Amino acid sequence: QKEVEQNSGPLSVPEGAIASLNCTYSDRGSQSFFWYRQYSGKSPELIMFIYSNGDKEDGRFTAQLNKASQYVSLLIRDSQPSDSATYLCAVWATDSWGKLQFGAGTQVVVTP
Amino acid sequence: KAGVTQTPRYLIKTRGQQVTLSCSPISGHRSVSWYQQTPGQGLQFLFEYFSETQRNKGNFPGRFSGRQFSNSRSEMNVSTLELGDSALYLCASSVGQGEGYTFGSGTRLTVV
Repeated sequence: QKEVEQNSGPLSVPEGAIASLNCTYSDRGSQSFFWYRQYSGKSPELIMFIYSNGDKEDGRFTAQLNKASQYVSLLIRDSQPSDSATYLCAVWATDSWGKLQFGAGTQVVVTP
Repeated sequence: KAGVTQTPRYLIKTRGQQVTLSCSPISGHRSVSWYQQTPGQGLQFLFEYFSETQRNKGNFPGRFSGRQFSNSRSEMNVSTLELGDSALYLCASSVGQGEGYTFGSGTRLTVV
């Protein structure tokens, strides 16, 4: 069983629409949750992190965390072609020094 | 503020050879982690160093090793290279646990 699961996509989103990405995790000891964006041929770039249940907003991005249901999501509002990338969900558990558990990533394609 | 610097960017090696990759973390970051990224396996954790000590290790054979120096710079070494070692090797640094990791541009290793 994969520890962090994401839909692989591709998720096709019209320009200007909201992209909704989901991630589930298996370790209830998980403490911190991260969303990374990775463009083709590039390294992952941290765009959001969340520790507490609820919503966290940063510009056009909103991360949502529900620890009871063990899921975390990312909303991208007013999607732009430049948002086309693979979005990686990563989870950090207490005592897991330096180790982020990554999902396989969801490819997002924003169509003009 | 300089980011995470990895050298070299590209490497081509022959089976059986060994390779050393270098990583300079963001100034002030003492935790350095290494990941291997392949299309089939995604991002997989190799090991993490903090203050010159390896605190965590992933499920990789002993051919993969690393170290960290007193200035937090880190190196990883792969001995007796195999074709399956061809991957993007990413170094990431963090100021503390759960704070999220900033990735370098990576070293793309091709074993022929």
